[in-house]
Amino acid sequence: DAGVTQSPTHLIKTRGQQVTLRCSPKSGHDTVSWYQQALGQGPQFIFQYYEEEERQRGNFPDRFSGHQFPNYSSELNVNALLLGDSALYLCASTSQGRKNTEAFFGQGTRLTVV
Amino acid sequence: AQSVTQPDIHITVSEGASLELRCNYSYGATPYLFWYVQSPGQGLQLLLKYFSGDTLVQGIKGFEAEFKRSQSSFNLRKPSVHWSDAAEYFCAVALSGGYQKVTFGTGTKLQVIP
Repeated sequence: DAGVTQSPTHLIKTRGQQVTLRCSPKSGHDTVSWYQQALGQGPQFIFQYYEEEERQRGNFPDRFSGHQFPNYSSELNVNALLLGDSALYLCASTSQGRKNTEAFFGQGTRLTVV
Repeated sequence: AQSVTQPDIHITVSEGASLELRCNYSYGATPYLFWYVQSPGQGLQLLLKYFSGDTLVQGIKGFEAEFKRSQSSFNLRKPSVHWSDAAEYFCAVALSGGYQKVTFGTGTKLQVIP
C-alpha cells in the first residue's frame, strides 16, 4: 500500500505565477482534503473533495481551487501566487464509508514563492 | 467554531524522563480527537485517536492520551522519552470521523536532551 502520495516534493515559483500540486489518495479512499501549513504553524484546512465535488471549504480565497478526478486523485491550484503562499501543502485522504477512521496524510509539497 | 489550544510552544525533556503535552479543545459536543507527530520536513503521522469509549487511549511508540470531558482536555503522555521522539506534536479535533475537516493546534516542539 503506497499510502498518500504527493508531487512534487519541492517547488519554487515566482510571485504572480500559478501552481498545481497533485495528490493520490491511499488505496480504498475516496475523499481528499488539502491543508496549508505555514512555517511554525499547524495545518489549516483549505478544502475537501468527494465525488469530484468540493464539499467543504476553509477560510481561503478563490485563488485556491481544486479538482478531483474519477480515480479519486486530486489537484490543488493556486493562482496569482503571493509570498505568503509559501508553505508546506499537505494532502489527506479518507473514506466516506468509514466513519470511525482518521485522515491519512502525505509527506507534503514544500512551495516557496520568491 | 471548534478550536484547539496547545499552550506549550516548546518543551525540553531529558532522555528517559516522562512527558506530558497539553491540549485543550473548544467545541459544543465531544469531538473526535487526535494526536499527530511531524518530523522536520515530513508529513503527519497519527499517534493515537479518541472517538468514544475508554477515555485512556493507547497509541504507537509508547504514547497514550487521556480524554477528560470536564476539562475539555486530551493530554498526551509518555513514561520514558527517547531521543527519537524529538519532533513537533499536533493535537487535532474533527466534528466526526476523518472525513470531516480537521482543526489543528499550533503544535508543541519537543526537544530531547541526553
